[in-house]
Amino acid sequence: AQSVTQPDIHITVSEGASLELRCNYSYGATPYLFWYVQSPGQGLQLLLKYFSGDTLVQGIKGFEAEFKRSQSSFNLRKPSVHWSDAAEYFCAVGPFFGNEKLTFGTGTRLTIIP
Amino acid sequence: DTEVTQTPKHLVMGMTNKKSLKCEQHMGHRAMYWYKQKAKKPPELMFVYSYEKLSINESVPSRFSPECPNSSLLNLHLHALQPEDSALYLCASTRTSGLTDTQYFGPGTRLTVL
Repeated sequence: AQSVTQPDIHITVSEGASLELRCNYSYGATPYLFWYVQSPGQGLQLLLKYFSGDTLVQGIKGFEAEFKRSQSSFNLRKPSVHWSDAAEYFCAVGPFFGNEKLTFGTGTRLTIIP
Repeated sequence: DTEVTQTPKHLVMGMTNKKSLKCEQHMGHRAMYWYKQKAKKPPELMFVYSYEKLSINESVPSRFSPECPNSSLLNLHLHALQPEDSALYLCASTRTSGLTDTQYFGPGTRLTVL
């Protein structure tokens, strides 16, 4: 069965500093990988997704993620965070073929300090 | 327009009440989803409708009853809920039923069952 692990429950970063959020997946084949962001009390917004091709994926809001098959990882990065980036971040994995089900990680809460 | 709307924003109901949640999109999407999200947890898939037909039911109790009257509208009928059903209920839609399409989420309905 597919699974997603986000090892960091909560991360605090200073505004302007760089950010890396970790995501590890377990799946028997090449997965579809996603990063979503959720502001408090809001729905989820897709930041970026990886299906195939270039392993460095660019997303919205200045985010990027790198797929590393050898490490089963899909870490999210941003070179310089803004106070508005404070939110909950979810990594998700889906099957290459088949149904529409996404499996989400438990999330990482990002706090930005001035 | 990339908006999924959900009404109401908040709902408080007793265990004997009957209420409905509504989700609407006018993007021409043909797949729509209901998720349940408990506090500090990732979203859990409940139902998927594909071309107005129920395609996935994640073993959800019958006190939750989905309905898709047309391709733009998705309802979730609630009856005899339990306090543990209190959560944020999220609706999402995709252009088709494949995972290659971006899921657009609504802001959610915050449900409290007394």
